[in-house]
Amino acid sequence: AQKITQTQPGMFVQEKEAVTLDCTYDTSDPSYGLFWYKQPSSGEMIFLIYQGSYDQQNATEGRYSLNFQKARKSANLVISASQLGDSAMYFCAMREGFRWDDKIIFGKGTRLHILP
Amino acid sequence: DAMVIQNPRYQVTQFGKPVTLSCSQTLNHNVMYWYQQKSSQAPKLLFHYYDKDFNNEADTPDNFQSRRPNTSFCFLDIRSPGLGDAAMYLCATSREEQRGSGEQFFGPGTRLTVL
Repeated sequence: AQKITQTQPGMFVQEKEAVTLDCTYDTSDPSYGLFWYKQPSSGEMIFLIYQGSYDQQNATEGRYSLNFQKARKSANLVISASQLGDSAMYFCAMREGFRWDDKIIFGKGTRLHILP
Repeated sequence: DAMVIQNPRYQVTQFGKPVTLSCSQTLNHNVMYWYQQKSSQAPKLLFHYYDKDFNNEADTPDNFQSRRPNTSFCFLDIRSPGLGDAAMYLCATSREEQRGSGEQFFGPGTRLTVL
């Protein structure tokens, strides 16, 4: 079974609209972390936001927020007021455990296109 | 600016000819990672280090090896590249003290072409 599922291979959104990118995960470990990364066409992966399994509040970083629904095992990324520069590939990822050697597993990604 | 640097950005090699990719960092992070990312796929972890402690993923082919001579540098050696090894190779670093937060800082990647 896939550990990280991103069901939207591609999305088209009008500039200035809010965007929600879906991510569901599967783990039996009570200690885990969830991440979102952005990968523009240049190839570099850019860390956006993190949510720990014990965090009580949803993470926010500027225009990015993570809608964490633990019971549903869902960690959707919300981008408010989208911009043309948000066009990129977005990866959801999970780390089971908090040790340095607990690896991060990436989902297959969602390609986001922002339309002018 | 502190950063993760990968050289070269583009590497072309011949089938079976050994190749080495390099990564350096000025962030003084103790954890370094190598990922392989094939076209339109998610990055796949190959190896990672905490200082000199090495963790080899179970499904990383024997053809791939890594060296970390010091904190700043890490190398990926592909002993006999096959056509299936053509990919983007990403190096990343993180601070182990950010236990759980897992923020990784990525380099720009090296795109490997195998002829």
